[in-house]
Amino acid sequence: QKEVEQNSGPLSVPEGAIASLNCTYSDRGSQSFFWYRQYSGKSPELIMFIYSNGDKEDGRFTAQLNKASQYVSLLIRDSQPSDSATYLCAVNVRSSGSARQLTFGSGTQLTVLP
Amino acid sequence: ETGVTQTPRHLVMGMTNKKSLKCEQHLGHNAMYWYKQSAKKPLELMFVYNFKEQTENNSVPSRFSPECPNSSHLFLHLHTLQPEDSALYLCASSQEGKRTGFSYNSPLHFGNGTRLTVT
Repeated sequence: QKEVEQNSGPLSVPEGAIASLNCTYSDRGSQSFFWYRQYSGKSPELIMFIYSNGDKEDGRFTAQLNKASQYVSLLIRDSQPSDSATYLCAVNVRSSGSARQLTFGSGTQLTVLP
Repeated sequence: ETGVTQTPRHLVMGMTNKKSLKCEQHLGHNAMYWYKQSAKKPLELMFVYNFKEQTENNSVPSRFSPECPNSSHLFLHLHTLQPEDSALYLCASSQEGKRTGFSYNSPLHFGNGTRLTVT
């Protein structure tokens, strides 16, 4: 099992719809969860971070964390064509050694259709 | 300038060349990172510096050599690279609460990256 896993997509949604992006992780002890957005040819930019179970809302974005099921999701309401990008999930997982590392998923490519 | 700045933005080098990538952060953070992003692959952590001390080296080949002279500057020295080293190299910084034992609880702030092509 990959340490951080995302559906690669592509995921297409019509403008105005809700886009749902999912991420699962392998380490039950993980404490920090981040969502980054990366436009083509650009660097990742932080969208949301969440540390506690439940929902965290910021504008059109909602992060949802369920530590028991080991998944974190990102909902984008009222999707806009400008939301079209690759969304990266990052989790502080404990790797083969004892130290934690911030491990990124391979990203989900989202396309919002006008 | 604000944030994390990387230079150069693009670099083309031959396999026998020596070059350096530079990163500077203006956020007052105490940790800096080098990541590699290849096509169709997840971001790979290469090096981590915490308070100027290297705390991680993720089995990176010795042809990549990091240098962190202070908590605001980070370099990646490159020599005798291979074509498969062509990738986007990203610098990042964060504010970590602990001097040792990284927990990665703080968000990373990325620079714009250097697009490296090895010919």
